[in-house]
Amino acid sequence: AQSVTQLGSHVSVSEGALVLLRCNYSSSVPPYLFWYVQYPNQGLQLLLKYTSAATLVKGINGFEAEFKKSETSFHLTKPSAHMSDAAEYFCAVSGWGDNDMRFGAGTRLTVKP
Amino acid sequence: EAGVVQSPRYKIIEKKQPVAFWCNPISGHNTLYWYLQNLGQGPELLIRYENEEAVDDSQLPKDRFSAERLKGVDSTLKIQPAELGDSAVYLCASSLGGRGAGDTQYFGPGTRLTVL
Repeated sequence: AQSVTQLGSHVSVSEGALVLLRCNYSSSVPPYLFWYVQYPNQGLQLLLKYTSAATLVKGINGFEAEFKKSETSFHLTKPSAHMSDAAEYFCAVSGWGDNDMRFGAGTRLTVKP
Repeated sequence: EAGVVQSPRYKIIEKKQPVAFWCNPISGHNTLYWYLQNLGQGPELLIRYENEEAVDDSQLPKDRFSAERLKGVDSTLKIQPAELGDSAVYLCASSLGGRGAGDTQYFGPGTRLTVL
């Protein structure tokens, strides 16, 4: 069964600094990978999705993620953090023949002025 | 296009009382999901519907939880009786369906349940 691990439950960056949120997955076959963002008291919003078409995936709000099979990683980055990026970020994985999506525990991003 | 609609947004009840949550998926989405999200954790699947059929309910505590999607559109999740440990956010999501594991799920705002 697939699983996903997010390293760091809380990440704090200064406004304008690089954002790096880490995600590693375990899967016996190439999975589908997702990043979602959750703002306070809201549902999850899709940031981006990896479907094997390209290893570098660009998403909304300037975020992107790179699929690295050798490292079983799918880290989320943004070159320059904005105050509005403060939220909870979830990495998720689903695999062949199993439509169930499994989420990581989440990483809370804080952006300092 | 309207997103996934959930109601109520917040619910406070006393333990042992029943409670129900409602979800209306995005129009045309055949697959509907109910998730449980505890504080500080990621969502966990409770049940998945393909049209009106529950195809994955292995994580649904069937002694107190029930769900239905009678006409393959909107859905209701019920808890009876509620326990203190049921306090959480209940999320509904929908997807087009028929695409297997790569189907993108779209989430509603959730219902925050507090059991006193």
